[in-house]
Amino acid sequence: GAVVSQHPSWVICKSGTSVKIECRSLDFQATTMFWYRQFPKQSLMLMATSNEGSKATYEQGVEKDKFLINHASLTLSTLTVTSAHPEDSSFYICSATSGGGETQYFGPGTRLLVL
Amino acid sequence: QKEVEQDPGPLSVPEGAIVSLNCTYSNSAFQYFMWYRQYSRKGPELLMYTYSSGNKEDGRFTAQVDKSSKYISLFIRDSQPSDSATYLCAMSASGELTGGGNKLTFGTGTQLKVEL
Repeated sequence: GAVVSQHPSWVICKSGTSVKIECRSLDFQATTMFWYRQFPKQSLMLMATSNEGSKATYEQGVEKDKFLINHASLTLSTLTVTSAHPEDSSFYICSATSGGGETQYFGPGTRLLVL
Repeated sequence: QKEVEQDPGPLSVPEGAIVSLNCTYSNSAFQYFMWYRQYSRKGPELLMYTYSSGNKEDGRFTAQVDKSSKYISLFIRDSQPSDSATYLCAMSASGELTGGGNKLTFGTGTQLKVEL
């Protein structure tokens, strides 16, 4: 149980384009989903927290107009990187939790490369 | 000073060795402690979850929490090459609710290599 999937697993795009990443909880309802970014040899940095049906809460320093998050259902959250630039190239990982639980279950991650 | 400190390694051990991984933290409000394993280019996988102080054992893995010292450990017995990965400690404080889930603070991760 507690499986989280992400799609796509990797994406290469041109500078200036937008990229959408999906995060799905496959066997449980995710009341809360988290989006992280991880640079090589660094730990996970929380970008934002999204609750189903409400606006996401962004961490300090994360541009909400650049990283659009939608959590329209209890099993799906999306992260859209708008007007991507090479410095946005990173490993993006989502996690999900249900019913106020402390344990987060992570997706396999999406590697983004912006040329 | 970071809230959670973790030696990045790399830590190299022979197969069968006992591995000790550690994290220290400064926020006394942390109540929930987790260890995740992350293989290269993959998402973290939850290994152990403990609440407050004490020990927890699951197979070859033992997690220890010493809140008085603000120190947590993960022990791996009879280490195997398949244990080679990066191990991340994570913790959260009760009350840091975000409408349903607690925010986690991660260590930087320790890279472990178990050699044949």
